[in-house]
Amino acid sequence: GAVVSQHPSRVICKSGTSVKIECRSLDFQATTMFWYRQFPKQSLMLMATSNEGSKATYEQGVEKDKFLINHASLTLSTLTVTSAHPEDSSFYICSASTAAGKAQETQYFGPGTRLLVL
Amino acid sequence: SQQGEEDPQALSIQEGENATMNCSYKTSINNLQWYRQNSGRGLVHLILIRSNEREKHSGRLRVTLDTSKKSSSLLITASRAADTASYFCAPILTGGGNKLTFGTGTQLKVEL
Repeated sequence: GAVVSQHPSRVICKSGTSVKIECRSLDFQATTMFWYRQFPKQSLMLMATSNEGSKATYEQGVEKDKFLINHASLTLSTLTVTSAHPEDSSFYICSASTAAGKAQETQYFGPGTRLLVL
Repeated sequence: SQQGEEDPQALSIQEGENATMNCSYKTSINNLQWYRQNSGRGLVHLILIRSNEREKHSGRLRVTLDTSKKSSSLLITASRAADTASYFCAPILTGGGNKLTFGTGTQLKVEL
């Protein structure tokens, strides 16, 4: 149980285009989803936290108009990188947790999406 | 920064040996979690230890927590080549909800 999927696993796009990444919880309802980015050999940096049906909370330094997050259902959150530039190239990882008491303490991670902007 | 900091940054051992990784943090926590990441993949939750616990076991994993020193350790016993991965600790700060903050991790390499 507790499987999280991401799509696509890898995407290459031209500079200036927008890219949408999907994060799905396959066998549980994810009231909270998190989006991270990771540069090679570095740590995961939290970008934003999204709760189903409400606006995402962005971390300091993350542009909300650049990284659009939608959490429309209990099983799906999307991250759209708008007007992507080469410096946006990174590994984007989502995670999900449930709201039920102590269960919310554990996050289940997707396999990640590698974005390359040319 | 309030993230966990892992030590050492890299560790190379032979299969069958034990691997010990350490984590330090700076503020009060509710719990502390350890995750594993295989190269180019997502993270896998390994174990959660609460602030009122001192030691926890899960299979070949043993985690300790010393809140007075603000440190934790992860011990992998009888390591296998498949344990090769990066290991991250993530303290859940008191009043921080369930937000995870990660350090740069320990890159473990287990050689045959």
